[in-house]
Amino acid sequence: QKEVEQDPGPLSVPEGAIVSLNCTYSNSAFQYFMWYRQYSRKGPELLMYTYSSGNKEDGRFTAQVDKSSKYISLFIRDSQPSDSATYLCAMSGWDYGGATNKLIFGTGTLLAVQP
Amino acid sequence: GAGVSQTPSNKVTEKGKYVELRCDPISGHTALYWYRQSLGQGPEFLIYFQGTGAADDSGLPNDRFFAVRPEGSVSTLKIQRTERGDSAVYLCASSLTSEIGELFFGEGSRLTVL
Repeated sequence: QKEVEQDPGPLSVPEGAIVSLNCTYSNSAFQYFMWYRQYSRKGPELLMYTYSSGNKEDGRFTAQVDKSSKYISLFIRDSQPSDSATYLCAMSGWDYGGATNKLIFGTGTLLAVQP
Repeated sequence: GAGVSQTPSNKVTEKGKYVELRCDPISGHTALYWYRQSLGQGPEFLIYFQGTGAADDSGLPNDRFFAVRPEGSVSTLKIQRTERGDSAVYLCASSLTSEIGELFFGEGSRLTVL
């Protein structure tokens, strides 16, 4: 079993839809949770970063962490065709030599927003 | 440039050959990371440097892989006796410090081993 599980999709939605992306994980030591967005043939770029449980909102994006269920989510409101990309969840924790950027990534979910 | 720069962007080589991939991080970033991304997968950690030293190389798959950062800036990932299974995109990233925070990725070097 992988430490981080993520449905690879593809996920296709109409423009304006609310998108829900999710990851589950098995390592209870993870405390830092990120979402990266990766456009085709580009490097990942950080979208959201949360510590421990709770919600964080940034514009159209909301990240949720439920440590009791080992489940994290990213919601995208009013989705746009420019949101079409692969969304990667990533995690880190103190067990990994301190809280560093040595991240464990999910496989990524490919999202297509249709105009 | 302002971002992380990686060269070459594409490299095609034959099985058994030696390959070097170069990364030029954002100026002033002390931490540098190498990840490998296979088709349909997320990036996998290989090694990270804090300054000139390799702080953690636990992700290197075997002793054919080696990386250096001699002056604390540019890094080179070296792969000896390449195998077809080494084909992947090799991503370099840098961050201001080694503490958890935003990683800035380059566009990657796409390695194909024939």
